[in-house]
Amino acid sequence: AQTVTQSQPEMSVQEAETVTLSCTYDTSESNYYLFWYKQPPSRQMILVIRQEAYKQQNATENRFSVNFQKAAKSFSLKISDSQLGDTAMYFCAFMNMGNQFYFGTGTSLTVIP
Amino acid sequence: GAVVSQHPSWVICKSGTSVKIECRSLDFQATTMFWYRQFPKQSLMLMATSNEGSKATYEQGVEKDKFLINHASLTLSTLTVTSAHPEDSSFYICSAGPPSNYEQYFGPGTRLTVT
Repeated sequence: AQTVTQSQPEMSVQEAETVTLSCTYDTSESNYYLFWYKQPPSRQMILVIRQEAYKQQNATENRFSVNFQKAAKSFSLKISDSQLGDTAMYFCAFMNMGNQFYFGTGTSLTVIP
Repeated sequence: GAVVSQHPSWVICKSGTSVKIECRSLDFQATTMFWYRQFPKQSLMLMATSNEGSKATYEQGVEKDKFLINHASLTLSTLTVTSAHPEDSSFYICSAGPPSNYEQYFGPGTRLTVT
């Protein structure tokens, strides 16, 4: 079974600063995908960034980047130049090759003006 | 990107009644869809995998007789909560993706309140 752990229930960051959200996971599978999703108060899941496990290069998407350490089973999200609209719940997620998602417990991020 | 819709977005029902939630893929066909449940201030938990033309597979601890899943077409999966009780009140989210494509798209969710 897959488990995803987010050890930071809440975090805050000043506007324009950088923040890193932590995530670790456990799996015995060799091929999989990792994601960060943002869930605003509307509760619609919004894809932030995705990483294929077979790719060593860390994914980046504008202000968002990940630090993927496969051996350590670590997948952190860095948000640069934080904006007020980044305030939301962030979920780290593991997806197996059957397209089933397993989510972490979430980190509530608040960007302070 | 692809679109997944859910209907209704919010439903209130009385204890003991059944309620049906629909999940549709609007611009692609999906042989597999997934149902998740999210309690307030908690994470999403996978409930079941909906398979077009065959029985759904349920995660451990999920009562298949209580949460009936029907995937009758390549664009529609339904989740029926039977004999609903207040503890079934939750946010239900589905996901789907095109075959042979490791992309999944989430529906906007359905808030179920059982009184």
